[in-house]
Amino acid sequence: DTAVSQTPKYLVTQMGNDKSIKCEQNLGHDTMYWYKQDSKKFLKIMFSYNNKELIINETVPNRFSPKSPDKAHLNLHINSLELGDSAVYFCASSRTKGLNYNEQFFGPGTRLTVL
Amino acid sequence: RKEVEQDPGPFNVPEGATVAFNCTYSNSASQSFFWYRQDCRKEPKLLMSVYSSGNEDGRFTAQLNRASQYISLLIRDSKLSDSATYLCVVNVGRGSYIPTFGRGTSLIVHP
Repeated sequence: DTAVSQTPKYLVTQMGNDKSIKCEQNLGHDTMYWYKQDSKKFLKIMFSYNNKELIINETVPNRFSPKSPDKAHLNLHINSLELGDSAVYFCASSRTKGLNYNEQFFGPGTRLTVL
Repeated sequence: RKEVEQDPGPFNVPEGATVAFNCTYSNSASQSFFWYRQDCRKEPKLLMSVYSSGNEDGRFTAQLNRASQYISLLIRDSKLSDSATYLCVVNVGRGSYIPTFGRGTSLIVHP
């Protein structure tokens, strides 16, 4: 059973398109995250959702919008894709209370290429 | 000063060597600390949490020094399979927990 899953694994698209990446966790965690890892391998947090409320928004462009239909899902929607959006996007989840709080589990990543 | 700093390396060591990495953090309000491992083209995976009292798991030992604001990771008897990038993560409390990753330290273990 996959703990944190993301789809698609690879996404190749043209500039200007709109795309979504889906993430699901079956760990019962209360917080989910989206990270961007660029070509220099720096992993930077973009968003965090705790119990369906946005608690972090790290000055990412408003073309990026997280959507959480329930606490097991956090999808990332990107409008008007730009070349600089090419990166690997990782979803993660954790619990913020109790044993092992803040230990994050990551999905396998979505490699986005914008042409 | 960056919030979380790591020496990018690479650290190039022979099998069986002992290697240590440090990670410094700038915010004294930091609440929790972790080491993750990331293999090439894979997701980060939790290696170990770092407790105030230190933490040991087999060949891996993590320590926290709050006074000097750094955490360390010691790997004994290095294996080829330890080759990876080791990421330090610090959660800064600002009313909510905000995970900040260091840029990672690359380890290459050679025969």
